Amino acid sequence: GDSVTQMEGPVTLSEEAFLTINCTYTATGYPSLFWYVQYPGEGLQLLLKATKADDKGSNKGFEATYRKETTSFHLEKGSVQVSDSAVYFCALSRYTGGFKTIFGAGTRLFVKA
Amino acid sequence: GAVVSQHPSWVICKSGTSVKIECRSLDFQATTMFWYRQFPKQSLMLMATSNEGSKATYEQGVEKDKFLINHASLTLSTLTVTSAHPEDSSFYICSARVVQGGELETQYFGPGTRLLVL
Repeated sequence: GDSVTQMEGPVTLSEEAFLTINCTYTATGYPSLFWYVQYPGEGLQLLLKATKADDKGSNKGFEATYRKETTSFHLEKGSVQVSDSAVYFCALSRYTGGFKTIFGAGTRLFVKA
Repeated sequence: GAVVSQHPSWVICKSGTSVKIECRSLDFQATTMFWYRQFPKQSLMLMATSNEGSKATYEQGVEKDKFLINHASLTLSTLTVTSAHPEDSSFYICSARVVQGGELETQYFGPGTRLLVL
């Protein structure tokens, strides 16, 4: 079945460091791929998305490129801030007689000042 | 972007009572809403898919008589935890599906409801 695998956290970085959170997926067909962010005590917010191969999603300095050949959708940011501390979820969505989203386990990011 | 609200954001109840959680799409109509449960430091677990005007579809292992879902209108879905017990304590998150211009759907999530059963 479909699945999403994320790098285990927590990831701890200093402010202005480069961030990469790896995400790979397994799915038949052509899923859409998403990154969601969850701040403490809150629900999920859509960070960015890509709906087809080679699409690049970007938002708030974060980027991720849909790589079909490597089945990956790694999240990157050139310079993290303390306010980026949160849990990041990679997810895929696919419609196969019903719409479902599969989430990765989440990666907790701590950014130190 | 689309906004989804949940009410209440926090609820504490006694064991054996029932709790209702509301999920509303504020600026769009949602034919499909989803209910998730999240345990501390874990990912989201899909509980059920709620379609307006029809019965919800529950995931394997989720008791439909325990977690009653009603999607009475295109902007409102409710989850009722019946005869709640301490093991039902969790963070419950709803989301609504938005179809945009024929491309694959995007989900927008509510802020979550934290339930504590004493």
